[in-house]
Amino acid sequence: GAVVSQHPSRVICKSGTSVKIECRSLDFQATTMFWYRQFPKKSLMLMATSNEGSKATYEQGVEKDKFLINHASLTLSTLTVTSAHPEDSSFYICSARRFQGVGYTEAFFGQGTRLTVV
Amino acid sequence: AQSVSQHNHHVILSEAASLELGCNYSYGGTVNLFWYVQYPGQHLQLLLKYFSGDPLVKGIKGFEAEFIKSKFSFNLRKPSVQWSDTAEYFCAVNARDNQGGKLIFGQGTELSVKP
Repeated sequence: GAVVSQHPSRVICKSGTSVKIECRSLDFQATTMFWYRQFPKKSLMLMATSNEGSKATYEQGVEKDKFLINHASLTLSTLTVTSAHPEDSSFYICSARRFQGVGYTEAFFGQGTRLTVV
Repeated sequence: AQSVSQHNHHVILSEAASLELGCNYSYGGTVNLFWYVQYPGQHLQLLLKYFSGDPLVKGIKGFEAEFIKSKFSFNLRKPSVQWSDTAEYFCAVNARDNQGGKLIFGQGTELSVKP
């Protein structure tokens, strides 16, 4: 299957600072990328959907000013956690899909980023 | 809005036992259905998917799932599990109308297989 690379895999930052997480589709052009948050022993919560060249669509309850998403190209999306607080500590996962013809391909997932805010 | 419910939070089986994990979704329109697996410390991998056609779908590693439209269900099965199947399993649904391709996940089922 296609490869989606997420970087960094782990990051520790101080409270109040910002952290950027990159998601790259290495061998296909991703029409759409998605950002999820996974809590311990919990499912993946969709945070936002981003399409190349347009503003991200955020799910209800997700602060768009806190979680900035940029989708500058068909192979790169970034998530910036601004003014991070300890409660933002979590596992963030990106996924990528391509729209072709009548629908989307399957979703491919990055390996995730463990964010710890101290 | 779509939602996905997985009935079993934690399943413990012995090797060679049969497995069935339940998944029900809530959405009135046409859907694509998926099962993903997350092995410890690894990223999500696709086990199988249903887009259309034969409702009995075969995936990798001996897994299969059956889409029963009348029951809004997409249960995952494997006739004989192995210790290496220990992982977290996620059912996911994607509405085929204009939902932007987003996948909604169930809560996940942790499978522990005892050798």
